[in-house]
Amino acid sequence: EPEVTQTPSHQVTQMGQEVILRCVPISNHLYFYWYRQILGQKVEFLVSFYNNEISEKSEIFDDQFSVERPDGSNFTLKIRSTKLEDSAMYFCASRAGLWGLAGPDTQYFGPGTRLTVL
Amino acid sequence: AQTVTQSQPEMSVQEAETVTLSCTYDTSESDYYLFWYKQPPSRQMILVIRQEAYKQQNATENRFSVNFQKAAKSFSLKISDSQLGDAAMYFCAYRSASDKIIFGKGTRLHILP
Repeated sequence: EPEVTQTPSHQVTQMGQEVILRCVPISNHLYFYWYRQILGQKVEFLVSFYNNEISEKSEIFDDQFSVERPDGSNFTLKIRSTKLEDSAMYFCASRAGLWGLAGPDTQYFGPGTRLTVL
Repeated sequence: AQTVTQSQPEMSVQEAETVTLSCTYDTSESDYYLFWYKQPPSRQMILVIRQEAYKQQNATENRFSVNFQKAAKSFSLKISDSQLGDAAMYFCAYRSASDKIIFGKGTRLHILP
């Protein structure tokens, strides 16, 4: 069964450093998302992406964040200058869209990347 | 703005028994989707079940079923014949017309052997 994959599983970085979190969505999916979950808190929406542009972003997704689909398979989240409060689990998700076969309106989540900012 | 409320931070159930997790939501939209996601200790988000708001019939997936009350804006999850592997954090979630998913705070389910 196809699944969303994310690398790395755990990233440790120093405050002020740039990090890039990588995701490979399910093949043929058209809609992509990033969410984050600070330890012990609920999952929060960051950004949605479709047709090579951002569809919607939350107030969390400020100028330090950017997303990109550099090729036909990867979807990345870049944090330009990490802060301590960026420490969280980051989930990528993808959705097929209208023509999907297995529930076009279901977002399928990857296993997450645990980001630790020291 | 839409909100999702899970009023039970933690619940416990005896193995093989049935448990119901509660969820209410608030929205002014008429067409939307509701989901239950399971998050085991590995912290991966796993889809358990989904419900389209336009469907009156409650969704079922093997031992998992929902009680969807659209007028009351209630969406509870029933787990029958609970198994040790069901122990996890369960999140109720709402997909808005804008496509983003809004999650509740979660209910931690413990299975007692």
